[in-house]
Amino acid sequence: KAGVTQTPRYLIKTRGQQVTLSCSPISGHRSVSWYQQTPGQGLQFLFEYFSETQRNKGNFPGRFSGRQFSNSRSEMNVSTLELGDSALYLCASSEASGRAADTQYFGPGTRLTVL
Amino acid sequence: AQSVTQLDSHVSVSEGTPVLLRCNYSSSYSPSLFWYVQHPNKGLQLLLKYTSAATLVKGINGFEAEFKKSETSFHLTKPSAHMSDAAEYFCVVRGYSSASKIIFGSGTRLSIRP
Repeated sequence: KAGVTQTPRYLIKTRGQQVTLSCSPISGHRSVSWYQQTPGQGLQFLFEYFSETQRNKGNFPGRFSGRQFSNSRSEMNVSTLELGDSALYLCASSEASGRAADTQYFGPGTRLTVL
Repeated sequence: AQSVTQLDSHVSVSEGTPVLLRCNYSSSYSPSLFWYVQHPNKGLQLLLKYTSAATLVKGINGFEAEFKKSETSFHLTKPSAHMSDAAEYFCVVRGYSSASKIIFGSGTRLSIRP
């Protein structure tokens, strides 16, 4: 099976712009989670989607949003970009069997730089 | 509420010597625990996970971890370090519910000396 894919891999934006990142999960996986990774804050959970519904949400402002499509592909959007949004954004997918011990499989990430 | 603490931000060992990366957790309920590894400019890869079965969990590349409820610990070990083990390691906790959030530790950078 192909792994989790994320597009684009690199992105440069300026403050005030908005950005959309895309994630395609492993075939058959129904849950997609998003994380932000920065040197200062480490890995922080953004949100999790399952069957097109947001199932869990981290402590991020409303500028961060996401959605999941019927084919389980997911997008996350960040509006009104700030310098502090520069980070590696990671997407992870899992089977979502209902067990909390579901393994999450991570994509390579999208490196967002805000100038 | 859940939390996870990785006790060392950086660990350096010589090639061929044992590796110990320490992780303590806090969870109101029986947690699920994971160790992930991240090589430079790569995504995260699962090393192993604890799911309330055997307390000693064996993972990939010779790593293993022991769940100790009395000490609320889930330390990662490897008998003999290899140069390719140099990477960032993350301890992760999740409650036993699909509604539970996933909490990542701050990470431990493992360096291997030749």
